[in-house]
Amino acid sequence: DAGVTQSPTHLIKTRGQQVTLRCSPKSGHDTVSWYQQALGQGPQFIFQYYEEEERQRGNFPDRFSGHQFPNYSSELNVNALLLGDSALYLCASSLDRGVMNTEAFFGQGTRLTVV
Amino acid sequence: AQSVTQLGSHVSVSEGALVLLRCNYSSSVPPYLFWYVQYPNQGLQLLLKYTSAATLVKGINGFEAEFKKSETSFHLTKPSAHMRDAAEYFCAVSNRDDKIIFGKGTRLHILP
Repeated sequence: DAGVTQSPTHLIKTRGQQVTLRCSPKSGHDTVSWYQQALGQGPQFIFQYYEEEERQRGNFPDRFSGHQFPNYSSELNVNALLLGDSALYLCASSLDRGVMNTEAFFGQGTRLTVV
Repeated sequence: AQSVTQLGSHVSVSEGALVLLRCNYSSSVPPYLFWYVQYPNQGLQLLLKYTSAATLVKGINGFEAEFKKSETSFHLTKPSAHMRDAAEYFCAVSNRDDKIIFGKGTRLHILP
């Protein structure tokens, strides 16, 4: 089992550009959550996808959007990049069981640097 | 609203000494509480989880944590520190296992 895989591992973008990050969940998982971890901070919840729809959203602007595909993989898109978007972006997957999800497994993250 | 406060952004202990990382939470509903570890340039790994069963939770790598409702605390301990325990530790709270609210983290340094 490859666990949660994210691509790319590192990325450098220029202010104003757009970026797409990708996540493949752990085998058998159907729920994907995205987190932003700025340097020296704890991860902050961006949003969660289940059944190809955004189910929950944290306090992030509309520049942050996502998508979940039928195979449960997911993309995080960020438009009009700002220097402050530089961070480690973490994807977590879990299995929705109606009452509570199973344990969330995290990927290694994508390090985004905006210059 | 739920929140987590970790006391001490850096903690140093000698190898073989007791590790104590402090965490206090705020939650309007019975919480699920977690401790995660993050090694340099790595993702997060779950150490242990409290979900309203036993108040003393045992995790991986010899760590454990005790849920104290009266103190709204969930401190992480390990009897004897090893060099390999040097990492960043995050306390987190959720009302399910989905949206997880993390603390700012505590970096644990192990002194030889």
